[in-house]
Order: sequence, then structure tokens, then C-alpha cells
Amino acid sequence: GDSVTQMEGPVTLSEEAFLTINCTYTATGYPSLFWYVQYPGEGLQLLLKATKADDKGSNKGFEATYRKETTSFHLEKGSVQVSDSAVYFCALSVQAGTALIFGKGTTLSVSS
Amino acid sequence: GAVVSQHPSWVICKSGTSVKIECRSLDFQATTMFWYRQFPKQSLMLMATSNEGSKATYEQGVEKDKFLINHASLTLSTLTVTSAHPEDSSFYICSTYSTSGRANTDTQYFGPGTRLTVL
Repeated sequence: GDSVTQMEGPVTLSEEAFLTINCTYTATGYPSLFWYVQYPGEGLQLLLKATKADDKGSNKGFEATYRKETTSFHLEKGSVQVSDSAVYFCALSVQAGTALIFGKGTTLSVSS
Repeated sequence: GAVVSQHPSWVICKSGTSVKIECRSLDFQATTMFWYRQFPKQSLMLMATSNEGSKATYEQGVEKDKFLINHASLTLSTLTVTSAHPEDSSFYICSTYSTSGRANTDTQYFGPGTRLTVL
């Protein structure tokens, strides 16, 4: 069935370091791909998304490119901040308006 | 942005009692709402899809008689955990897409979650 696999955490970085969180997926058809972020004590927020191959989603300095050939949607940021500390979830949707399928989440901890 | 609220944000109850969790879309209509369950350090698992005016659709392995879902209006869905037991302790999250109003219909909006602890 459809699934999302993302790298195990936690990821611990110093401020201004480069961030990569890997995400790969298995799906039939052409899913939409998402990254959600969950800050401590808060609900999930959409960080970025891409709806077709080669699309690049970007927001708040984060980027991810929909790579159909490698079935990947890796999240990157060139310079992380302490305020980026959160849990990041990669997710896919096989059809608009349907529930999302989530990866297990990756905890990011950034220290100053 | 669009807001989905949940109430209560946390609840502690005794084993055998029932707990109702509300999920509201505050500034848009939501024909369909989703209920997820999140275990510590794990992903969100879809429990059921709630459709306004009709019966909910449950995922395989989810007991529909234990997790009662009611979607009586376009802005409110409720999840009732009946005869709760300690193994039902978890973080319950609702989400929805907008079908009208100001929210972006292409984006799924999540509630802040409800932490249930069953003693």
C-alpha cells in the first residue's frame, strides 16, 4: 500500500547549520507531497507542498523538490535557527480531499 | 489562516467512562473531517473519516462501537471514546479540508489535538 518513510531522528544541529531530512514514498499514481511541522504543544502546520513531479515547495527558508524518479521529497534548509526546533512530518495524499498518509516524524533540535 | 479547534485540549478520565472530543472548523465549512491518533514518538494514524450527515468510515482495525463519530453540522464533528481503558490513552487529532469560506480548499488544516489519559 501507499506509505511514507522518513529518516529516524532525533536530528541535533547547531544554529546556522545545513539541514536535510530525507523522505521517500511509495504510492500508486501521482500523489501530492507535503511537509508538516509540529512545534511543542501545538498542532500540525503545513510547511510546504508539491503537487507534481519536479515541483519545488518552499516556505520560511525550507525547500523540498518532488522527485518522481527517486520517489523522494527531501526537506532542506540552508541555515537553521533555534526556533526551527520541532517535529517534521512528511506526508502524501493520493487524491485531493482525502486523508494524508504520514511518515513517523523527525525531531529536530537546534542549539545556539 | 484557517483555524480548526479541538476541545478539550487534554482530559484525564477513569477507566470505564466515556469521553467526548469536539472538533470545530471556525471560519469555513467542512463536509469531511478526519480523525487521527498519534502515539508518543510515532506518526499519525488515520482512525476514521467523518462525513457531514452520514455515517463515518472507519479504518481497518478501528472499533466503530468504541470510537463513536458524529458529524452533525458542517462545522462540528465529535469523537466519543466509549468505555475508555488505559490503552486508549493517546493524542487524538482532527483535520479537515475547506469546502467553502475563506480557507484554501487544497490544504488540510489540523486541530491542536486532545491528549487523553485513562487511569
